[in-house]
Amino acid sequence: DGGITQSPKYLFRKEGQNVTLSCEQNLNHDAMYWYRQDPGQGLRLIYYSQIVNDFQKGDIAEGYSVSREKKESFPLTVTSAQKNPTAFYLCASQYGGGSGKLFFGSGTQLSVL
Amino acid sequence: KQEVTQIPAALSVPEGENLVLNCSFTDSAIYNLQWFRQDPGKGLTSLLLIQSSQREQTSGRLNASLDKSSGRSTLYIAASQPGDSATYLCAVTYSGTYKYIFGTGTRLKVLA
Repeated sequence: DGGITQSPKYLFRKEGQNVTLSCEQNLNHDAMYWYRQDPGQGLRLIYYSQIVNDFQKGDIAEGYSVSREKKESFPLTVTSAQKNPTAFYLCASQYGGGSGKLFFGSGTQLSVL
Repeated sequence: KQEVTQIPAALSVPEGENLVLNCSFTDSAIYNLQWFRQDPGKGLTSLLLIQSSQREQTSGRLNASLDKSSGRSTLYIAASQPGDSATYLCAVTYSGTYKYIFGTGTRLKVLA
């Protein structure tokens, strides 16, 4: 089945630690996105990528980093510089960038120990 | 500032009712608008996508309309069922940008 796979489902971060969230898609989509969702707030864009080896900052990129070495993969690293990382993180992909439907993964809940 | 608003934040209805969810956006020059469903602790599922040139889209019991001039979209759900209980979010995007702007959602509960 085609889709987007996020792992892990739950992740715990210790203070000062960097953690990486995985996102893999087999939909052959060019565009991929990372969103953060906090209770009572809309989704906020962290980073997006339209093509391999290229990505742009979203609205809340500080404390996060990404890479896009393969079309299928768009991992997100939450660095120690992100002081309030507890949130639900959603990865999405899109065909035709900007005009097509967004497809989402099942999300990763990140909590701080 | 481009914003998306969804009112009400929560809604409870008895099973079988027809209902309307609202989405308002401040900048009417949208490229397209999508409606999504989110179950607790899950990702979003795209329900309907309306291009800026379209007035409405239908899928089964769902119908979404778009009125760009007034900055509004509505999602109509016919004959609601307990399985429709979820949070419904709308999102808009604008020409020349890959960024979607999301509303905060309407949490729907359909009572059996």
